[in-house]
Amino acid sequence: EAGVAQSPRYKIIEKRQSVAFWCNPISGHATLYWYQQILGQGPKLLIQFQNNGVVDDSQLPKDRFSAERLKGVDSTLKIQPAKLEDSAVYLCASSYTGTSSSFVDEQYFGPGTRLTVT
Amino acid sequence: AQSVTQLGSHVSVSEGALVLLRCNYSSSVPPYLFWYVQYPNQGLQLLLKYTTGATLVKGINGFEAEFKKSETSFHLTKPSAHMSDAAEYFCAVSQYNFNKFYFGSGTKLNVKP
Repeated sequence: EAGVAQSPRYKIIEKRQSVAFWCNPISGHATLYWYQQILGQGPKLLIQFQNNGVVDDSQLPKDRFSAERLKGVDSTLKIQPAKLEDSAVYLCASSYTGTSSSFVDEQYFGPGTRLTVT
Repeated sequence: AQSVTQLGSHVSVSEGALVLLRCNYSSSVPPYLFWYVQYPNQGLQLLLKYTTGATLVKGINGFEAEFKKSETSFHLTKPSAHMSDAAEYFCAVSQYNFNKFYFGSGTKLNVKP
């Protein structure tokens, strides 16, 4: 079974530029998550999709971050304009089910995209 | 609100020694608990999870963890450390009806020869 794919693996941009990350979840997984992992911290959930609908985006800085999952499969996360404090690893994860479930599913993580904003 | 506290951002043990990584959680409802491992430049990989049932949970690579409700703890142990265990370990808590994970800040395990 193929894992969660992410690209690019590394990205360096200047502040005020824009950047986009791509994620392809495990086939058949309904739920997709984007996390931000700042150096020395645990992953923080930015947004959670159930199929192509947003379940939770309470931690997403909506003035600069956006995400979409148009066909309920691949997803993109965009930052525009980037700030220095956005330097982090952006992790994508997926799980088979998600909300409206009587149990908690394991989340499978991709390798992440390391973003450096200079 | 749920939260996870991992005591000790860095833990160093000798090869062959006991590994003990601490995790305490706060949750208003019965929690689901997880331990993940992250090797350099890689994503997180599940070590083990507690949902219901037996409170001592065995995972991959010889790790295990015990859910202690009275202490709100879910500490990770391994009887004998191996060099390949050097990595960062994250504890996470979730509620069953949202699948939203809250992660601790992580503990970096160093294994000395």
